[in-house]
Amino acid sequence: AQSVTQLDSHVSVSEGTPVLLRCNYSSSYSPSLFWYVQHPNKGLQLLLKYTSAATLVKGINGFEAEFKKSETSFHLTKPSAHMSDAAEYFCVVSYTGGFKTIFGAGTRLFVKA
Amino acid sequence: NAGVTQTPKFQVLKTGQSMTLQCAQDMNHNSMYWYRQDPGMGLRLIYYSASEGTTDKGEVPNGYNVSRLNKREFSLRLESAAPSQTSVYFCASSEFDKSSYNSPLHFGNGTRLTVT
Repeated sequence: AQSVTQLDSHVSVSEGTPVLLRCNYSSSYSPSLFWYVQHPNKGLQLLLKYTSAATLVKGINGFEAEFKKSETSFHLTKPSAHMSDAAEYFCVVSYTGGFKTIFGAGTRLFVKA
Repeated sequence: NAGVTQTPKFQVLKTGQSMTLQCAQDMNHNSMYWYRQDPGMGLRLIYYSASEGTTDKGEVPNGYNVSRLNKREFSLRLESAAPSQTSVYFCASSEFDKSSYNSPLHFGNGTRLTVT
């Protein structure tokens, strides 16, 4: 069965320190992988996507993610957190055949001043 | 550039009442979706429409119906609301191609529904 697991429900960092949000997936196929961000009372916004062109994917607002097939992981990182990064982040997997999109449970990122 | 527009933003219903959530997109996307978001569960697909004139069930379709009115509009109807349908509902759209699994979703800002 296909699934996606976000390993932390909450992550707290200080402003200016690195961010790591972890995501693992299971799949029998080659998936497409996405990270979305959701600010309070807003819809989800695409941060970045992986579609097999390159294993290191750069997204908006300084975020990037690395696809590691051997570890079935797609962790999201940012070198230096900003207060505006405080939000909920979702790791998402889509599979060949279309319209089969699975969302992780989300990781809430807190950024301390 | 409006993107995906949902109405209403908030709604309170009594058990057994009905309502329709409206969604419109101006990006000329073929595919549209309805999701519900519940704490700790991510987003779950209720129904989707791959293209104008088609609709299909998603993961949690019970208690809901949908209508793809035209290419722009996709509505979600609750015929007899239940407290278990208290949730935040998101409409989304995407481009459609043979490899549509890698087309990102574009979301509206959601409708917060409470059923008492």
